[in-house]
Amino acid sequence: EAQVTQNPRYLITVTGKKLTVTCSQNMNHEYMSWYRQDPGLGLRQIYYSMNVEVTDKGDVPEGYKVSRKEKRNFPLILESPSPNQTSLYFCASRTLGEGTQYFGPGTRLTVL
Amino acid sequence: RKEVEQDPGPFNVPEGATVAFNCTYSNSASQSFFWYRQDCRKEPKLLMSVYSSGNEDGRFTAQLNRASQYISLLIRDSKLSDSATYLCVVTPSGYSTLTFGKGTMLLVSP
Repeated sequence: EAQVTQNPRYLITVTGKKLTVTCSQNMNHEYMSWYRQDPGLGLRQIYYSMNVEVTDKGDVPEGYKVSRKEKRNFPLILESPSPNQTSLYFCASRTLGEGTQYFGPGTRLTVL
Repeated sequence: RKEVEQDPGPFNVPEGATVAFNCTYSNSASQSFFWYRQDCRKEPKLLMSVYSSGNEDGRFTAQLNRASQYISLLIRDSKLSDSATYLCVVTPSGYSTLTFGKGTMLLVSP
């Protein structure tokens, strides 16, 4: 089954404790990205990647890191989480040149 | 002006009603358009693409007006299961970026 998976689905952590949210897709998509979604603000892109070892900042990259060492994986790293990073996070992937984007199920992160 | 604007709603309609949403975009170079659907606390999923000549998919009709820079989604014979947030997506030629609107919430009641 074609899908984007994310782990964990739910996470409660404390300020300053480094965490990683994993994302994996099995569709051989070149393009992967991370979004956060907050009430009233919609989906905001954090980082994206057009291929292995190619990453770029989206609209709200501060406080986040990503890496793309393999085509299928695109982890999101919060080196020192803060409460304002409490949000619903989605990973997504698509084929370059197409508009159909597939989203993971989301990770609900709470930073205390 | 925001790149993609949608009325956040909610649109409250009874079952069986016809409802329409609009979405305006600011970049005249935008080439491709889509509607995504997002159920509460779930991931967005592609509902349908929007073609220049307009297109239908069952009870759903999408239209594009390039002159006025808006797209629309019409839902006929609303079902309870249509309750969701509908996201408008705009992209330039080549699909380099997808710009999402904040969404319009639809609530269909019995």
